[in-house]
Amino acid sequence: QKEVEQDPGPLSVPEGAIVSLNCTYSNSAFQYFMWYRQYSRKGPELLMYTYSSGNKEDGRFTAQVDKSSKYISLFIRDSQPSDSATYLCAMSVGSGTGNQFYFGTGTSLTVIP
Amino acid sequence: EPEVTQTPSHQVTQMGQEVILRCVPISNHLYFYWYRQILGQKVEFLVSFYNNEISEKSEIFDDQFSVERPDGSNFTLKIRSTKLEDSAMYFCASSELGTSSPLHFGNGTRLTVT
Repeated sequence: QKEVEQDPGPLSVPEGAIVSLNCTYSNSAFQYFMWYRQYSRKGPELLMYTYSSGNKEDGRFTAQVDKSSKYISLFIRDSQPSDSATYLCAMSVGSGTGNQFYFGTGTSLTVIP
Repeated sequence: EPEVTQTPSHQVTQMGQEVILRCVPISNHLYFYWYRQILGQKVEFLVSFYNNEISEKSEIFDDQFSVERPDGSNFTLKIRSTKLEDSAMYFCASSELGTSSPLHFGNGTRLTVT
């Protein structure tokens, strides 16, 4: 079983739709959760960073963490064509100095004008 | 907003040659990383670096690869004797407090080995 599972899509929605992106994980020790947006041939750009369970909102973006279900979500409201990108989830335990960032495979999103 | 910068943005090299990819992490960050992404595939961890030494490396990071922090600002990845399968995007990343803080990526170096 992979540490982090993410549906690769592709996901296609009309402009203005609400988008829901999700990841599940197996390690209950994960405490820090990140969402990245990656445009083609660019580096992943940090969108949201949350610690433990709960919601965090930033503009049109809302990140949710449900540790009991080992499930995280990113919601995009009023989606725009500029939101078309690949979205990566990532998470970490939060201790140690080594490679403890675990990434999903990414979900490809297209927002159609 | 501070950012991770990488140079060059694109490097073309012939098989067997050595390349050095350069990165300037965010200035107050203490943990540095290299990741690789082959076109259309997932981001893969190569190596992490803290306190002037490698803290962890993946199976990909074999003797062909080395990292160095030659001064107070730069962080480099050297690939000796490049192979065709080394063609990929290479991303440098940094974090302030390791895995207790978010990872910030540069825009990558696209390495093409011919």
